[in-house]
Amino acid sequence: GQQVMQIPQYQHVQEGEDFTTYCNSSTTLSNIQWYKQRPGGHPVFLIQLVKSGEVKKQKRLTFQFGEAKKNSSLHITATQTTDVGTYFCVRTNAGKSTFGDGTTLTVKP
Amino acid sequence: DVKVTQSSRYLVKRTGEKVFLECVQDMDHENMFWYRQDPGLGLRLIYFSYDVKMKEKGDIPEGYSVSREKKERFSLILESASTNQTSMYLCASVRRGTDTQYFGPGTRLTVL
Repeated sequence: GQQVMQIPQYQHVQEGEDFTTYCNSSTTLSNIQWYKQRPGGHPVFLIQLVKSGEVKKQKRLTFQFGEAKKNSSLHITATQTTDVGTYFCVRTNAGKSTFGDGTTLTVKP
Repeated sequence: DVKVTQSSRYLVKRTGEKVFLECVQDMDHENMFWYRQDPGLGLRLIYFSYDVKMKEKGDIPEGYSVSREKKERFSLILESASTNQTSMYLCASVRRGTDTQYFGPGTRLTVL
């Protein structure tokens, strides 16, 4: 099926360090979404990228969409303990979404 | 704010029981989805619906059915629960023409 591969699966960082998760697809994406799921919670929408090469920022979070629209990344600058959780990239095709397996971030205070 | 509610946060059932999981959204969204989430497997789509009385199979529909009698309510049915259906079940709704999913809090189902 049309999958999105996410790496790494887990990332442990010291508070203040940066963090990046990558999302890759073998086919061109019409758009890519990112969601965050806190421990014990449900996925919450963060952002959608649509244009080739698009870069969007939300405070310490930077989202990029590749020029070929086959990959995307989420970068967090200077992580905080509130950043812990699992970050998912999601592709949507004809209204049906496919989630990546997620990257689980833990932050040591 | 969109609100998506699910009937139970935790549910324990026995093998062979019929199980109903209810999802209600209050934002008049057309599209609704049921996922299950398992460690190491991410979120997998079970069924979705684009309108009342419409349903489409997702990636793992076996052992499940759904009902959408009213726009705001989407029910997931386990006809005869099995232990391999122990999982976290998440419902989501989406406004037609957009892709943003709004999730409910989830139901953690244990089948003994």
